[in-house]
Amino acid sequence: GPKVLQIPSHQIIDMGQMVTLNCDPVSNHLYFYWYKQILGQQMEFLVNFYNGKVMEKSKLFKDQFSVERPDGSYFTLKIQPTALEDSAVYFCASSSTGGAGEQYFGPGTRLTVL
Amino acid sequence: QQQVRQSSQSLTVWEGETAILNCSYENSAFDYFPWYQQFPGEGPALLIAIRSVSDKKEDGRFTIFFNKREKNLSLHIKDSQPGDSATYFCAASQGGRALIFGTGTTVSVSP
Repeated sequence: GPKVLQIPSHQIIDMGQMVTLNCDPVSNHLYFYWYKQILGQQMEFLVNFYNGKVMEKSKLFKDQFSVERPDGSYFTLKIQPTALEDSAVYFCASSSTGGAGEQYFGPGTRLTVL
Repeated sequence: QQQVRQSSQSLTVWEGETAILNCSYENSAFDYFPWYQQFPGEGPALLIAIRSVSDKKEDGRFTIFFNKREKNLSLHIKDSQPGDSATYFCAASQGGRALIFGTGTTVSVSP
């Protein structure tokens, strides 16, 4: 089926540094999402993005977070500065039809903040 | 407060049995309920989904039973196979908004 790629698969950084997580969504998809999953807990919605704009975000999407998809390339999640509680697996998803449509997930990026 | 709850954290069944995974939700405005299957080290993959206007959705060995009045649903995996061993997430959304996930049920199918 359609594939969403995420780069890198693992990232270890020191607290306070900036990190950018990259997502290569399904090629004809227009809606993009980030989710956060702390080990042993459920996946939690962070943000969705369409037509160059944030459409909806949750309380977990702190001011230190930002998303963009410059010129149709990677869909990115940037955290600046990082905090210890940002350690989690971050999943990117994309969809052709928006919220209620099928969301295709990437394999996740495991972020460890030391 | 959990908006989407999965009653079992784990479930073990024998090969050939039917695995039943339960899910309940708080928000009566939720209208779309997908189930996702996740293997270790991978992202979740959509398995089957139902909309609140239906009470049953079947796809091969997988069936969702939905009870709008009771605000619960269940996923039945018929003739369970060892390859079905995975974590299953119930999710819900309202009017096309973000998916709210349950905490997942890890299913182990013993041969």
